[in-house]
Amino acid sequence: RKEVEQDPGPFNVPEGATVAFNCTYSNSASQSFFWYRQDCRKEPKLLMSVYSSGNEDGRFTAQLNRASQYISLLIRDSKLSDSATYLCVVNEGGYNKLIFGAGTRLAVHP
Amino acid sequence: GAVVSQHPSWVICKSGTSVKIECRSLDFQATTMFWYRQFPKQSLMLMATSNEGSKATYEQGVEKDKFLINHASLTLSTLTVTSAHPEDSSFYICSASQGANTYYEQYFGPGTRLTVT
Repeated sequence: RKEVEQDPGPFNVPEGATVAFNCTYSNSASQSFFWYRQDCRKEPKLLMSVYSSGNEDGRFTAQLNRASQYISLLIRDSKLSDSATYLCVVNEGGYNKLIFGAGTRLAVHP
Repeated sequence: GAVVSQHPSWVICKSGTSVKIECRSLDFQATTMFWYRQFPKQSLMLMATSNEGSKATYEQGVEKDKFLINHASLTLSTLTVTSAHPEDSSFYICSASQGANTYYEQYFGPGTRLTVT
């Protein structure tokens, strides 16, 4: 079983749509959680951290359910510029080891 | 702030040769640097973690004699792929942080695309 699992997509949505991505992780001792964005042939960039209480940053909302080992990302009012691959990332603690999911590809069309 | 550079951004080399990739933190001191590899349509996989002045810690399945890591200063780490083979062709990305524990964010370099012919 993969340590971090995501639906690879692609999710093809029109501009203005709301889209949700999910992710599950296998290590119950994981300490921190993130969503990164990766554009084609580029490095990943931190989108937001994910907290148990849920957190929002503009059009982006992230949720963490530790009991179910489940993380989600909601994007409202999708823009063309949101087209990218979204990586679910888990930090297992210790020496700051990040475990990346394979990513969910989002394509926003006019 | 928190800029990490990598050089070269892409490289093509012949099978059997060695290639060195540099990772630099430009505006902060990186106590810890990480090296990742990403094959097409796959996730980033951590190869090794290096702390300045110490030997790197390699992940299971990564050959330390093939992927030589040197972290000689607080702003520079190098990854040398020795005796490269076509299956080593990949996207190599480094990240740097100011410390080794989870409190510190990792800042990623732009990556180096290696093609071995």
